Amino acid sequence: NAGVTQTPKFQVLKTGQSMTLQCAQDMNHNSMYWYRQDPGMGLRLIYYSASEGTTDKGEVPNGYNVSRLNKREFSLRLESAAPSQTSVYFCASTAAYEQYFGPGTRLTVT
Amino acid sequence: GESVGLHLPTLSVQEGDNSIINCAYSNSASDYFIWYKQESGKGPQFIIDIRSNMDKRQGQRVTVLLNKTVKHLSLQIAATQPGDSAVYFCAEMSDSARQLTFGSGTQLTVLP
Repeated sequence: NAGVTQTPKFQVLKTGQSMTLQCAQDMNHNSMYWYRQDPGMGLRLIYYSASEGTTDKGEVPNGYNVSRLNKREFSLRLESAAPSQTSVYFCASTAAYEQYFGPGTRLTVT
Repeated sequence: GESVGLHLPTLSVQEGDNSIINCAYSNSASDYFIWYKQESGKGPQFIIDIRSNMDKRQGQRVTVLLNKTVKHLSLQIAATQPGDSAVYFCAEMSDSARQLTFGSGTQLTVLP
């Protein structure tokens, strides 16, 4: 089992460009999450999906959209990237309480 | 002028000593607490958890203590090893919200 995988690992965007971060899990978990992590701070929840077909906003959803494509995949889209979205993005999944995290995507917006 | 960035609280311990990492949480309604370890360039990794109806839980070389009166959580690592060097986060969750709220983390450095 690969666990939680994320692509790409690194990305540089110019202000105003769009991109989609991909996340997949092979643990048959119902719930999936997207977080961002800024220097010196903990993880902040952007969006989550409690089950296939549902998505809900977290603490910092502005500027992002998500799609729960199927049970395995949960993508995060930046429609018009801004320098404030420079961060490391982590996807996670869970069956109950313990969350399993992917390796992260380091995004820089110039 | 010079910009000042955010800095994580840090803890340095000698290899072989015990480490204690502390966390204050804010939500008295939280039902569940977790400690995560994050090594440089990696995602957080689960260490140990505790329910709000407990005050102590032990794992392999780690112990979590919960004091609900003062809303304080601690992680004790016995016989700290170089591989324990990482950032440690506490997180809390309520059964109703089912979302984790993370603390800002503590950087643990193990000295040889």
